[in-house]
Amino acid sequence: AQTVTQSQPEMSVQEAETVTLSCTYDTSESNYYLFWYKQPPSRQMILVIRQEAYKQQNATENRFSVNFQKAAKSFSLKISDSQLGDTAMYFCAFTHFGNEKLTFGTGTRLTIIP
Amino acid sequence: GAVVSQHPSRVICKSGTSVKIECRSLDFQATTMFWYRQFPKQSLMLMATSNEGSKATYEQGVEKDKFLINHASLTLSTLTVTSAHPEDSSFYICSASPLLAEITDTQYFGPGTRLTVL
Repeated sequence: AQTVTQSQPEMSVQEAETVTLSCTYDTSESNYYLFWYKQPPSRQMILVIRQEAYKQQNATENRFSVNFQKAAKSFSLKISDSQLGDTAMYFCAFTHFGNEKLTFGTGTRLTIIP
Repeated sequence: GAVVSQHPSRVICKSGTSVKIECRSLDFQATTMFWYRQFPKQSLMLMATSNEGSKATYEQGVEKDKFLINHASLTLSTLTVTSAHPEDSSFYICSASPLLAEITDTQYFGPGTRLTVL
């Protein structure tokens, strides 16, 4: 069975700084998708970024980028120029191609300090 | 795009009553919808997967007779908590996976429903 591990339960960083959240996963499959979701205090789950495993290029979405290391099964999220609105719980998630079900990590609670 | 709504956002009911939660994909058709439960400060726990026109697939340990799921159309799924008890109090979240090939295998989430059973 696949697993997703987020080793940082909590992190905090000053506003405007850069922060990296780590995520590792375990799978024997070669075709899969990886995601980072954000859950702010409102508890609405928001898709931050999506990466297809067959793509070597790291996904980016404005201030959010990933470092996808397929051989190491690592998928870290970098948030640049952090803003107060980035304060949230961040979940790393994984799904096999065509499987539909998501496997979530336990989450990292990120606090941006003004 | 890819907006999912959930109704109601908050519900309080008496023990023994049934509660229905609706999940709608507003601007896309969804092949599959999912229902999750989230306990405080924990990750999401998948309860069941529903496909339009077919029976839902429940995860191990989830009582299908207690949590009834109906997926009536490509934009609507409902979760009914039957004979609710205080231990069913939780935050319930739905998600939907679009038909669109370019974002397949991606789930978009509703805002959640907080259920409190007295």
